[in-house]
Amino acid sequence: DAKTTQPTSMDCAEGRAANLPCNHSTISGNEYVYWYRQIHSQGPQYIIHGLKNNETNEMASLIITEDRKSSTLILPHATLRDTAVYYCIVRPATSGTYKYIFGTGTRLKVLA
Amino acid sequence: EPEVTQTPSHQVTQMGQEVILRCVPISNHLYFYWYRQILGQKVEFLVSFYNNEISEKSEIFDDQFSVERPDGSNFTLKIRSTKLEDSAMYFCASSNGGEGTGELFFGEGSRLTVL
Repeated sequence: DAKTTQPTSMDCAEGRAANLPCNHSTISGNEYVYWYRQIHSQGPQYIIHGLKNNETNEMASLIITEDRKSSTLILPHATLRDTAVYYCIVRPATSGTYKYIFGTGTRLKVLA
Repeated sequence: EPEVTQTPSHQVTQMGQEVILRCVPISNHLYFYWYRQILGQKVEFLVSFYNNEISEKSEIFDDQFSVERPDGSNFTLKIRSTKLEDSAMYFCASSNGGEGTGELFFGEGSRLTVL
């Protein structure tokens, strides 16, 4: 089973920042936090990942608490196209195959 | 930007028929996966594949399922005798498997409808 807990759903106004929380209180020291999203029935899309430090890329920012027990994905200026299910997943920092386990995620609805 | 491609996008078949779903992973990736998603449910892991053999499989991946990388570019999922409950979206994914950077790249999926 997934080792993360996320709210079932959230709404966000278009143009505002969307802050999606994730609880991973049992995370191990060698586990990364990954975020994916699934728009409608398309294939999941990688967004960002991090270990300890905050990360930013062209899609989003990832804020990880100092104790690493929770994190927040930030979409700085949400658009209607960001409406999707967002998944927070932890995985070990090992190379090779890894079966990402998807939970139920957070269904984000961006409102016009 | 490189992408994972899947064919067909939608296949309708009769129960008991064999189905082959095809995937072309990103060219320099070494690790390949199949996932499925029954309508309204979670994305579920089926199988991972590396170096021409299965690395791991879920309990869903029973003897009716098989995977193959026949020619160095395609990665296929075969369902030998389809059942109604096999109706789902099937996603192929690939990764370079790097430590801490092994993000999965998914295809757009193949929708299988079993009648």
